[in-house]
Amino acid sequence: ETGVTQSPTHLIKTRGQQVTLRCSSQSGHNTVSWYQQALGQGPQFIFQYYREEENGRGNFPPRFSGLQFPNYSSELNVNALELDDSALYLCASSYTGEGTEKLFFGSGTQLSVL
Amino acid sequence: GNSVTQMEGPVTLSEEAFLTINCTYTATGYPSLFWYVQYPGEGLQLLLKATKADDKGSNKGFEATYRKETTSFHLEKGSVQVSDSAVYFCALTNAGNNRKLIWGLGTSLAVNP
Repeated sequence: ETGVTQSPTHLIKTRGQQVTLRCSSQSGHNTVSWYQQALGQGPQFIFQYYREEENGRGNFPPRFSGLQFPNYSSELNVNALELDDSALYLCASSYTGEGTEKLFFGSGTQLSVL
Repeated sequence: GNSVTQMEGPVTLSEEAFLTINCTYTATGYPSLFWYVQYPGEGLQLLLKATKADDKGSNKGFEATYRKETTSFHLEKGSVQVSDSAVYFCALTNAGNNRKLIWGLGTSLAVNP
């Protein structure tokens, strides 16, 4: 049990739709990162938020956007869904400032785009 | 750029066999190295880590040594159990790089009784 919860666990959308995925960070963590894990692949870094601001971004188009709220929960929004967006989306929280690099992952949201 | 290369799976072993999963990396500077494990139906969990050359990370009977000269971080366990069946990911991050993790593709391990 990592203390990081994601919702929903599974989601089916059609091409062109928009989706919002949610993440509740572990208590006391001020940083959240989002990863995309395609089937049979390692996770790919999407972006990171620290104190409600984007703090690094991977090679993903602008239709992938995010928010971090004052309570350090977070959302990942994807617009104009494409078939290739089908993947497991992982949220990871951490505390920036402790000098540790330990991330706590949620169980992920499995997104299927039809 | 930074990258991680893992041996391809799936790996199938009998209980109590010796396990090695190879991992090599390419990175600028002095990365920290990690092994994460993903059990069926669960999220990724940190298994062990090493933050500088010659460090040995260990947990649950698993070990990996940070070898800068060979840019490797191979995962080993002397005697695997059925409960070790999972997907294992090698990853790295450079200090100060927003803790962005660079991941290998993962190696699936199946341990048969």
